[in-house]
Amino acid sequence: GQQLNQSPQSMFIQEGEDVSMNCTSSSIFNTWLWYKQDPGEGPVLLIALYKAGELTSNGRLTAQFGITRKDSFLNISASIPSDVGIYFCAGLNQGGSEKLVFGKGTKLTVNP
Amino acid sequence: DAMVIQNPRYQVTQFGKPVTLSCSQTLNHNVMYWYQQKSSQAPKLLFHYYDKDFNNEADTPDNFQSRRPNTSFCFLDIRSPGLGDAAMYLCATSGYRLPVRFDGYTFGSGTRLTVV
Repeated sequence: GQQLNQSPQSMFIQEGEDVSMNCTSSSIFNTWLWYKQDPGEGPVLLIALYKAGELTSNGRLTAQFGITRKDSFLNISASIPSDVGIYFCAGLNQGGSEKLVFGKGTKLTVNP
Repeated sequence: DAMVIQNPRYQVTQFGKPVTLSCSQTLNHNVMYWYQQKSSQAPKLLFHYYDKDFNNEADTPDNFQSRRPNTSFCFLDIRSPGLGDAAMYLCATSGYRLPVRFDGYTFGSGTRLTVV
């Protein structure tokens, strides 16, 4: 089956630092989604990417859809304590099964 | 605000006692999903409804059932909960808006199920 490799598994950073995480896949997706999940809550959509090569920003967050359609990265600039949480990438093929394939998540810890 | 609402947020049930979790949406999305998420893991798809069509994942135990009486509501029934079914259960929706543009996935806040 399809799998997403998300790295790193965890990150410990100081407030103000930039963060980068990525996902790679053995197969192609036509949509990439990045979610943040706080403890005890459902995942919240941060950024959605629909086209290969697309670069999209949402405040301090920037994500790109890889040209090969097999990878994506998420950058967070000038991290703050509320960025703490688990970040999931997810791939989707619209118009097909509509099933999300999740990465295993990156757990981010920000030290004040 | 349009959203996906799950009730209850926390559910405690006895081993073997049937339990139902509910999900409602105001997004008018045609697809609704149920995911199971265990600690420190990614959500795992159990099944989804595409309109009224039910789509079960091959590895979803028979103990898990679902109902979708209308566009807005979807239920997850666990017929005989075991200790291994303790988890966060997430409902999600997706759909399309004109012009044809994928809209979703939107997740609810989840129901934390404890089995005692």
